[in-house]
Amino acid sequence: KAGVTQTPRYLIKTRGQQVTLSCSPISGHRSVSWYQQTPGQGLQFLFEYFSETQRNKGNFPGRFSGRQFSNSRSEMNVSTLELGDSALYLCASSLADPTYEQYFGPGTRLTVT
Amino acid sequence: AQSVAQPEDQVNVAEGNPLTVKCTYSVSGNPYLFWYVQYPNRGLQFLLKYITGDNLVKGSYGFEAEFNKSQTSFHLKKPSALVSDSALYFCAVRDSLFSGGYNKLIFGAGTRLAVHP
Repeated sequence: KAGVTQTPRYLIKTRGQQVTLSCSPISGHRSVSWYQQTPGQGLQFLFEYFSETQRNKGNFPGRFSGRQFSNSRSEMNVSTLELGDSALYLCASSLADPTYEQYFGPGTRLTVT
Repeated sequence: AQSVAQPEDQVNVAEGNPLTVKCTYSVSGNPYLFWYVQYPNRGLQFLLKYITGDNLVKGSYGFEAEFNKSQTSFHLKKPSALVSDSALYFCAVRDSLFSGGYNKLIFGAGTRLAVHP
C-alpha cells in the first residue's frame, strides 16, 4: 500500500506571496491532518479534515487554510507569506478511529525569503 | 490542557547497550500515547502506541515502551541500541476527545538519540 505523498517536496517563496501544498493520504484513510515543524516551536498542529470538513484547528492565523476533496486528498494554503512561515509542513493520514495511529508524509520544506 | 514533556534534549548511548528515551504526559481522561521517529529530511515514522491494556507495548524495530499511570510516564526502550537508531524521537498524546481533539496530536519537543559505535 502506498504511503502518504506530499508535493512539492521543496519550495522557495518570497514574502507576501501565497503557496499551496498538496497531500495524498493512504488509500482508505479519510482523516488528513497538517502539522508545522520548526526548530523553535517544534511540531504544531494546524488543522484536521475528515470527509471534506474541518474537524479541528490549531492556533494559527487565518492566513493558514486548508481543504479536503471528495477523494480525501487535501491541500493547505498560506497567504501573505512571512519569514516565520519557513518550516517543514507535514501531512498525516489516519482512519477515523482516534485510537488509530497517524501516518506521515515526507513533508514539504518551505523557505520564505 | 493535554501536554507532553521530553526532559532530555539528547541521549547518548554506546552501540549494544540498552537505551531509554523519557516521556511524561499530562492529560484529562485516558491517554492515547504514541512514539514516532524522524530521520534527517524525512517525515515521522510510527513506532508504537498505548491505548489500553498491557503496560508494556512492543513496536517496530525492536522498540518497546512502558506505560506507567502513577508516574504519568511512557518511556521508550530498546534492549540493544544500533548506530542506525540514531535519530530524533517524538512522544505524542492524542488531544482530548471531549474538546474535539479527534486526530490532533500534541508532541513533545523531541529527543535526539545518538548511538556511538
